[in-house]
Amino acid sequence: IAGITQAPTSQILAAGRRMTLRCTQDMRHNAMYWYRQDLGLGLRLIHYSNTAGTTGKGEVPDGYSVSRANTDDFPLTLASAVPSQTSVYFCASSTLPGTEAFFGQGTRLTVV
Amino acid sequence: RKEVEQDPGPFNVPEGATVAFNCTYSNSASQSFFWYRQDCRKEPKLLMSVYSSGNEDGRFTAQLNRASQYISLLIRDSKLSDSATYLCVGTSGSARQLTFGSGTQLTVLP
Repeated sequence: IAGITQAPTSQILAAGRRMTLRCTQDMRHNAMYWYRQDLGLGLRLIHYSNTAGTTGKGEVPDGYSVSRANTDDFPLTLASAVPSQTSVYFCASSTLPGTEAFFGQGTRLTVV
Repeated sequence: RKEVEQDPGPFNVPEGATVAFNCTYSNSASQSFFWYRQDCRKEPKLLMSVYSSGNEDGRFTAQLNRASQYISLLIRDSKLSDSATYLCVGTSGSARQLTFGSGTQLTVLP
């Protein structure tokens, strides 16, 4: 692994199902982020973690949860997916909060 | 009002042209600023950081004006490969989260 990896790359999900998007980085970055990107709305922060063991809510946290059990992993869970959660999801990490972030390749999620 | 605002464009310019993008931010406490580039259906990639003194990287120049709360990106001698969406980014909140503008679309024409 080199950098930041997301899985799956794409997924079609039935409404009401639970889904976890995975994100792993090998750069030993302290801060990690989850964004969603929708046409016309740009990138919006869902949740963030400034260091392992801590998390915080971003601009659009409702319907999502995260955990940060260790430095490398930052999974995003949709407890009960709804069609409005159809989006492209990007995970990112940075050395420290507020410094330049590096992004994973994204997960395209369609909720039907 | 969004914390970071950009003209969405699109900007269509001929190869070799100089093009400038501006971005305004509302949070005067923002400390760090960046420009990212995003190609269609790809992840955003860091283009350059923006410093108060201004900084240059080849054909790209970034400027920060704290008094007027705006950031600019100048691209000289545009190449076809510069066609992309350019995202302005600032930090916000006590946790210094990165807040993205909606992006400005650039198409460089042959």
